[in-house]
Amino acid sequence: NAGVTQTPKFQVLKTGQSMTLQCAQDMNHEYMSWYRQDPGMGLRLIHYSVGAGITDQGEVPNGYNVSRSTTEDFPLRLLSAAPSQTSVYFCASSYSRQAAASTQYFGPGTRLTVL
Amino acid sequence: AQSVTQPDIHITVSEGASLELRCNYSYGATPYLFWYVQSPGQGLQLLLKYFSGDTLVQGIKGFEAEFKRSQSSFNLRKPSVHWSDAAEYFCAVASEYGNKLVFGAGTILRVKS
Repeated sequence: NAGVTQTPKFQVLKTGQSMTLQCAQDMNHEYMSWYRQDPGMGLRLIHYSVGAGITDQGEVPNGYNVSRSTTEDFPLRLLSAAPSQTSVYFCASSYSRQAAASTQYFGPGTRLTVL
Repeated sequence: AQSVTQPDIHITVSEGASLELRCNYSYGATPYLFWYVQSPGQGLQLLLKYFSGDTLVQGIKGFEAEFKRSQSSFNLRKPSVHWSDAAEYFCAVASEYGNKLVFGAGTILRVKS
């Protein structure tokens, strides 16, 4: 298994540009999520999905869109990038939506810079 | 609302010395607690987790953590630190009803030889 994969690894955008961060998992996991990591703030949940066709907002959803058309993929879209979205983005997945039942596996991250 | 506090931003220990990283959580019901480690430029790896039962939890790489409900703490320990343990460590909490993790700000561990 490749586990959780993310592309690209690095990206530089200009303010106002749009882009999609890709996340895929090959473990048939039901639950997938996106976090952003900022210095001194740990990781914060952006959006999550409990299955194909079902998504919901996390703690910091503004400026981001998600969709989940398949079990494997969970892309994160930035509609109009802002410097405040400069961050490292992590995708995670787990077999079950219940914390007691499964462990979350994290991808290697995408480092995004918005100029 | 759930929250996690890691009081120490940086900790430096000598190789071979013992280590304790502090974590305090705020959650009204039964917490599900985790410690993750992040090496530079890498994703997060789960060290250990606590859901119920024995309050002393063993994890990978020789780490253990103790859940103390009365102190709302879940401190991470290792008896003898190796240079390869230098990394950033995150404590996290989740509710029993979902898998949404709330992370602390992290503690950066430096190991000096």
